[in-house]
Amino acid sequence: QVHLVESGGGLVKPGGSLRLSCVASGFTFSDYYMSWIRQAPGKGLEFVSYISAFGGTKYYGDSVKGRFTISRDNATNSLFLQMNSLRADDTAAYYCARVGLTAAGAVIKAFDSWGQGTLVTVSS
Amino acid sequence: QPALTQPRSVSGSLGQSLTISCTGSSSDVGGYDFVSWYQTHPGRAPRLLIYDVSKRPSGVPDRFSGSKSGNTASLTISGLQPDDESEYFCCSYAPWTVFGPGTTVTVL
Repeated sequence: QVHLVESGGGLVKPGGSLRLSCVASGFTFSDYYMSWIRQAPGKGLEFVSYISAFGGTKYYGDSVKGRFTISRDNATNSLFLQMNSLRADDTAAYYCARVGLTAAGAVIKAFDSWGQGTLVTVSS
Repeated sequence: QPALTQPRSVSGSLGQSLTISCTGSSSDVGGYDFVSWYQTHPGRAPRLLIYDVSKRPSGVPDRFSGSKSGNTASLTISGLQPDDESEYFCCSYAPWTVFGPGTTVTVL
């Protein structure tokens, strides 16, 4: 059974930094693209970033480009999000999500498994 | 990045059907068959319901179906059940990944 567990959220002051982690289990982590998606209180889902299976390709949403860095460690089945220069509008629940694969190994352009999320609050 | 639009709320009676729309443009929804739909409940992990416009992952009941016409994708829920009361988000994965604002479904 696929299991994604996020950690590292908390309260941070504007301009500060935070590093989120996501530990995966129940599947071959190194086969899959992985993503971070966030949801601000009372708002909709917002794509943050994705990383390819071996980390060679990374993509960021416009609102976090230049401030956030996605990375992964396939040896420990872990996904990370380094968040710098945090702003109040970065306050959100951050979800780790897997980008799906077909049985033949083709990338499904959708997020087929999600964690429960970790809450990041940026406030002075 | 252009936005997708969804109705803020939709309601339907127990056992009936309802449809949620997701409107984009010819550059995203209309130009690619990479629309997906997600169900969210507070305190639960979001759940993928539909991908590639109309495909259902294993484990998703066939009460959930997806379609697309032009620049508008749709999610239909038939045989409404109490547990279908949730928020539903569409997503266009190409050429950039963008989510709709969400639709709250109420089961009467």
